[in-house]
Amino acid sequence: DAGVIQSPRHEVTEMGQEVTLRCKPISGHDYLFWYRQTMMRGLELLIYFNNNVPIDDSGMPEDRFSAKMPNASFSTLKIQPSEPRDSAVYFCASSLAGVGTGELFFGEGSRLTVL
Amino acid sequence: AQSVSQHNHHVILSEAASLELGCNYSYGGTVNLFWYVQYPGQHLQLLLKYFSGDPLVKGIKGFEAEFIKSKFSFNLRKPSVQWSDTAEYFCAVNKGAGNMLTFGGGTRLMVKP
Repeated sequence: DAGVIQSPRHEVTEMGQEVTLRCKPISGHDYLFWYRQTMMRGLELLIYFNNNVPIDDSGMPEDRFSAKMPNASFSTLKIQPSEPRDSAVYFCASSLAGVGTGELFFGEGSRLTVL
Repeated sequence: AQSVSQHNHHVILSEAASLELGCNYSYGGTVNLFWYVQYPGQHLQLLLKYFSGDPLVKGIKGFEAEFIKSKFSFNLRKPSVQWSDTAEYFCAVNKGAGNMLTFGGGTRLMVKP
């Protein structure tokens, strides 16, 4: 089974550059979540989608962050311009609402370093 | 606001010691409860989950958790830890499928060989 696929796995960029992180959820899952993990703040929910529609983006830090889900199999998280404090591991997760308990399946994460 | 609390931020144990990690939540009503584990450098993986039935839930790798509704708790236990259990453990709660999962702050476990 293909799990949640994220790219890139690692990204090093300079302050001010645009960063785009990508996620392919598990086929058939109708919820998609973006999380950020840092040592200082732990695991934070940034935004989540249901059937490609953003439901709650209250966790997005500021206007420099944006997320899209143009179709059921792809989502992007964009940071423009990037800043050193954006350095973190960004996780994408998906779940299926219709059955079960809402268990999340996580991708391997994208480790972002902004210099 | 809903919240999930993990009171132990760092735990250090020797191999074969018993483990109990605390988790408390602040929701009322029906909840689903989860423990996720994150091994060093890896993504979060489900350890076990509870949504109904027997409040004592058994998960992978010898872990278990007990749901005590009156205490709003879902503590994780393992009778005898191994070095390979070194990881960060996250408790999480939602109010049913289709609802946002709220994570606790995590507990870093280090098991000394």
